[in-house]
Amino acid sequence: SQQGEEDPQALSIQEGENATMNCSYKTSINNLQWYRQNSGRGLVHLILIRSNEREKHSGRLRVTLDTSKKSSSLLITASRAADTASYFCATQRPGNTGKLIFGQGTTLQVKP
Amino acid sequence: GAGVSQTPSNKVTEKGKYVELRCDPISGHTALYWYRQSLGQGPEFLIYFQGTGAADDSGLPNDRFFAVRPEGSVSTLKIQRTERGDSAVYLCASSLQASPTYEQYFGPGTRLTVT
Repeated sequence: SQQGEEDPQALSIQEGENATMNCSYKTSINNLQWYRQNSGRGLVHLILIRSNEREKHSGRLRVTLDTSKKSSSLLITASRAADTASYFCATQRPGNTGKLIFGQGTTLQVKP
Repeated sequence: GAGVSQTPSNKVTEKGKYVELRCDPISGHTALYWYRQSLGQGPEFLIYFQGTGAADDSGLPNDRFFAVRPEGSVSTLKIQRTERGDSAVYLCASSLQASPTYEQYFGPGTRLTVT
């Protein structure tokens, strides 16, 4: 079963604009991660935020985590056409050293 | 260095047949994970190995699915008596150890189509 739910399911923006995707989850977590997937194949790890962290940055990416609301957001600033992809959040639960529980994903289209 | 590789990249089989999907993890990675992704959905956990042993197989949907990793490196996911509902992309990932400290690196996946 899926733990996370992302919204929106689909997002279309112009190049240069910012894109914000949200993720909600149900149970307590050790960490939350964001992945990008192009063309329905391999996943690329973008960023990991631990449960005791509130915000993290990596290049044009900014991730926030609110454990009281069980939610996270991914912000991509100054988007590029190459950012077009599906984005997934995934959680790892405390004591569970292996599996990632993924959300349904947000499909982002960045128009040139 | 080489990433996670999966073979075949595409597999078409008839309902009722047996299939094997192979995953070659990154050299030195002791943890290996299998996920399944249906069209329009997020990946769904199937099983993971720490070394040769299956540490958590709670995601395997039924006893038609089985996975092995006999030497702690290459893993094979085996599906017996395939059904059309098994059609999906099967993703493999590996990490240095099975711990939230270590990132999981994903392979390109095997697209399985059961006709």
